[in-house]
Amino acid sequence: NAGVTQTPKFQVLKTGQSMTLQCAQDMNHEYMSWYRQDPGMGLRLIHYSVGAGITDQGEVPNGYNVSRSTTEDFPLRLLSAAPSQTSVYFCASSPLLTGSSNTIYFGEGSWLTVV
Amino acid sequence: SQQGEEDPQALSIQEGENATMNCSYKTSINNLQWYRQNSGRGLVHLILIRSNEREKHSGRLRVTLDTSKKSSSLLITASRAADTASYFCATPLAYSGAGSYQLTFGKGTKLSVIP
Repeated sequence: NAGVTQTPKFQVLKTGQSMTLQCAQDMNHEYMSWYRQDPGMGLRLIHYSVGAGITDQGEVPNGYNVSRSTTEDFPLRLLSAAPSQTSVYFCASSPLLTGSSNTIYFGEGSWLTVV
Repeated sequence: SQQGEEDPQALSIQEGENATMNCSYKTSINNLQWYRQNSGRGLVHLILIRSNEREKHSGRLRVTLDTSKKSSSLLITASRAADTASYFCATPLAYSGAGSYQLTFGKGTKLSVIP
């Protein structure tokens, strides 16, 4: 049981390049999400999904795309990288429980630098 | 749409002392969670307290919740050097509906425990 696995761990991109951050979970969780963490800003939600084929925007979705073709995978695509997207990205998953007692399980993070 | 705010932003204590961190939030919640993040790692769930609970314990952790003041505290007793990390409170974006399983995070308290 690997939990939430993110790849790559580190990436350097040039402005304008595109790339995909991969996220996979093996816990059969319905809910998956992407956060970015910046110094002094805490974690901010980018996109989330409540199941295969269903995605929605979070607090800071601009410049990012997501898709959810399977329960296990939730890739995050940067369409045209900008220096403002330099950040640490975390993928997270949780079961969808009624009563809202969801504990979130985080991946280890992907450090992205856009130059 | 940040809900929770931790206080203090940074805390430095000697090993063996107790560490107290506070979290204030803005809107009604049905639960509040605390997470820990070691440097360069993902967040790890510590404890969840529901809105009908006033206090909860887990090992050396004690969490309190005061819904009338919209605040929570995390107490780590007999701290160890290994407790050095950032600590975040997290609350659901909304009391019910789609936002009830989306967590928003504060900016965190950085705890340093000096051996």
